[in-house]
Amino acid sequence: GAVVSQHPSRVICKSGTSVKIECRSLDFQATTMFWYRQFPKQSLMLMATSNEGSKATYEQGVEKDKFLINHASLTLSTLTVTSAHPEDSSFYICSATRPGSPLHFGNGTRLTVT
Amino acid sequence: KNEVEQSPQNLTAQEGEFITINCSYSVGISALHWLQQHPGGGIVSLFMLSSGKKKHGRLIATINIQEKHSSLHITASHPRDSAVYICAVRSGGAQKLVFGQGTRLTINP
Repeated sequence: GAVVSQHPSRVICKSGTSVKIECRSLDFQATTMFWYRQFPKQSLMLMATSNEGSKATYEQGVEKDKFLINHASLTLSTLTVTSAHPEDSSFYICSATRPGSPLHFGNGTRLTVT
Repeated sequence: KNEVEQSPQNLTAQEGEFITINCSYSVGISALHWLQQHPGGGIVSLFMLSSGKKKHGRLIATINIQEKHSSLHITASHPRDSAVYICAVRSGGAQKLVFGQGTRLTINP
């Protein structure tokens, strides 16, 4: 079945640095990719919706200058956490879809900012 | 009140038991998803429903559009079924999903 690859699975970085997370759809063209954040023991929180070739649509309260999303091709979307702070430490997960198909999720990235 | 409510929030059962997880929603939907999240964090899409019933192995998902309710059933439960099960709905023509808070299922051997 369809597979979404998310990389890295785990990253530790220092406060003030930027971190890029990649989300790739391996065997289908994803017209839409979603980026989520998940706090411990809580459900997924949608950060932004990314359509190929257009600017991402951010949810209320999500800083678009801090969480940069690029969806340059039908198989790749990236989330860059800029000037990371300890409060950005979280589990980030992407999903990819095309019209009429189920959602396919990446395995997530656990970000720790020290 | 959340747009998507799941019950129970936590469920512990013995291996072999029949499991039911419920999901109620308050908005008109175009599709409802049942997702499984394992302790490592990865999420698997189990079902996408817009009406009726679907079955895959020991898993059965039903939806009643009039009552705005869906159930996920697991027959002959096994410890490997232990995970968080999440109900999510797509409303109308929107792309994004609205998530329930999840049900943490633990199956003891």
